[in-house]
Amino acid sequence: DAGVIQSPRHEVTEMGQEVTLRCKPISGHDYLFWYRQTMMRGLELLIYFNNNVPIDDSGMPEDRFSAKMPNASFSTLKIQPSEPRDSAVYFCASSPREGGGLTDTQYFGPGTRLTVL
Amino acid sequence: GQSLEQPSEVTAVEGAIVQINCTYQTSGFYGLSWYQQHDGGAPTFLSYNALDGLEETGRFSSFLSRSDSYGYLLLQELQMKDSASYFCAVPGASKIIFGSGTRLSIRP
Repeated sequence: DAGVIQSPRHEVTEMGQEVTLRCKPISGHDYLFWYRQTMMRGLELLIYFNNNVPIDDSGMPEDRFSAKMPNASFSTLKIQPSEPRDSAVYFCASSPREGGGLTDTQYFGPGTRLTVL
Repeated sequence: GQSLEQPSEVTAVEGAIVQINCTYQTSGFYGLSWYQQHDGGAPTFLSYNALDGLEETGRFSSFLSRSDSYGYLLLQELQMKDSASYFCAVPGASKIIFGSGTRLSIRP
């Protein structure tokens, strides 16, 4: 298996622009997670899905952030409009059904390093 | 509120043993997870303890004491490739909280 795939790996954009991050989870995994990592705030869970349905989005910073999972093999995290404080590494992770998601092994993608100028 | 505390940095010698501690304050505790992250890389799951005691996986072991709200990660026979950041995490019913990470530096 190729593991969790994220694109793009790097994104540089200007303040006010829309940014879309993409994730393909491991085939057969029922849970998908979006995280943000910064030096100041560490690793934060933004939102997660179970069987394509959003379960908890309380970690989403504000209305500028939205996430979708139209099918079992694809998810997007969108920031519109982007701001310099959104600069971070965004990780997508997936996990199988057995452990219930949060307590189970999570497999992380390589991350997208976002820089908003 | 929920919080986790772990040392920010630990230094050890190649071949030695090192212990990384984690104390937590949470509501609705399920268990304690540990992740490894190399510089520029993604977190990698190491272990999950739901019950008290020590669990061993190769050179790495993880311990949990629910009564003390405390756990640790034990790394034996340290290798240079173990130089990384190690995060403890507390998964809950609908959230997961990560500690700020311990940067492990290994000297030859």
